[in-house]
Amino acid sequence: KAGVTQTPRYLIKTRGQQVTLSCSPISGHRSVSWYQQTPGQGLQFLFEYFSETQRNKGNFPGRFSGRQFSNSRSEMNVSTLELGDSALYLCASSSRQVGDTQYFGPGTRLTVL
Amino acid sequence: GDSVTQMEGPVTLSEEAFLTINCTYTATGYPSLFWYVQYPGEGLQLLLKATKADDKGSNKGFEATYRKETTSFHLEKGSVQVSDSAVYFCALRAYRNTGFQKLVFGTGTRLLVSP
Repeated sequence: KAGVTQTPRYLIKTRGQQVTLSCSPISGHRSVSWYQQTPGQGLQFLFEYFSETQRNKGNFPGRFSGRQFSNSRSEMNVSTLELGDSALYLCASSSRQVGDTQYFGPGTRLTVL
Repeated sequence: GDSVTQMEGPVTLSEEAFLTINCTYTATGYPSLFWYVQYPGEGLQLLLKATKADDKGSNKGFEATYRKETTSFHLEKGSVQVSDSAVYFCALRAYRNTGFQKLVFGTGTRLLVSP
């Protein structure tokens, strides 16, 4: 089974721009979660989508948004980029069954200049 | 709220040494517990998990036992290799009446193994 894929792997943007990251979950998984990883804050939860509905949301400003499509693929968008948004963005998929386990993709490294 | 505390790193060991990385948690109910490993420039890989008290998760020589009485999930390996050098994250995921909650991670422990 193919793992979680994320595109692009690397991205360089400037302040004020917006960016869209994409995630394709493991086949059969309907839940997709997004996390931000930075050296200072560690791993922080952004949001989770299940069956095209946002189920959980972390404590991030409204500039961070996401969506999920009917094929379970997900995108997250960050508008009006700030220097502090530079991070590794990780996507994880799961089946959301009992004993649920999240499987992570390789991440998208976003650099904001 | 839910939280995970793991030992500060880096942990520096010689090859074939015994490894312990401590992890304790705070959560209501009975969360599932996980260890993830991150190699340089990569995402997180699931190393092992346990879903109920006294369960032992194991994989690639690593083990951890879900201890509810001490709220701990310490990671151990009997003989580390240079290739085990990575950052290890302890995490929990609670289940409430609203469904599965987010994964809550510890700060990570860097392991450095020298030949």
